[in-house]
Amino acid sequence: DAGVIQSPRHEVTEMGQEVTLRCKPISGHDYLFWYRQTMMRGLELLIYFNNNVPIDDSGMPEDRFSAKMPNASFSTLKIQPSEPRDSAVYFCASSRLRLAGGNEQFFGPGTRLTVL
Amino acid sequence: TQLLKQSPQFLSIQEGENLTVYCNSSSVFSSLQWYRQEPGEGPVLLVTVVTGGEVKKLKRLTFQFGDARKDSSLHITAAQPGDTGLYLCAGTNMEYGNKLVFGAGTILRVKS
Repeated sequence: DAGVIQSPRHEVTEMGQEVTLRCKPISGHDYLFWYRQTMMRGLELLIYFNNNVPIDDSGMPEDRFSAKMPNASFSTLKIQPSEPRDSAVYFCASSRLRLAGGNEQFFGPGTRLTVL
Repeated sequence: TQLLKQSPQFLSIQEGENLTVYCNSSSVFSSLQWYRQEPGEGPVLLVTVVTGGEVKKLKRLTFQFGDARKDSSLHITAAQPGDTGLYLCAGTNMEYGNKLVFGAGTILRVKS
């Protein structure tokens, strides 16, 4: 298995532009998570899906952020319009439901977003 | 407010030294995980502990879950430069559903 795949790996854009981050989870995993990591705030959960349905989006910072999961093998995180304070590394992770013992999350390599 | 507090925030040591990283909370967790993250990569799971008082060993790494399931520690014996990275603890409990709550992390640097 190739693991969680994210694209692009790096994105540099100007304030006000639309940014779309993409994620392909591990096949067979029924949970997908989007995180944001910064030095100041650490790793923050933005939203997660179960079987392609958004379950908890309480971590999405504001209406400029939106996420979709049209099928089990693809998800997008969109920022429109982007602002300099959105600069961060965005991670996608996936996991498979386990009834006990904790759910290991498998992280992608991340997308480093810089908004100028 | 960080639900899981990790200490120290940063640790710089010489190769061969021992170290302990702590993860503390006032909340009870049904399980706690430790991840390691290297620069330019995503976090990778090291271990999951689920039982109060549980101790797990992974080569030179020893993980312990507190009896009350509110805290955990990671001890590294004879640290190597390859141990350098960001160590994150993450917990789950019924209140948070299937979400992982992450600590802020401990940056470890092992100098040769």
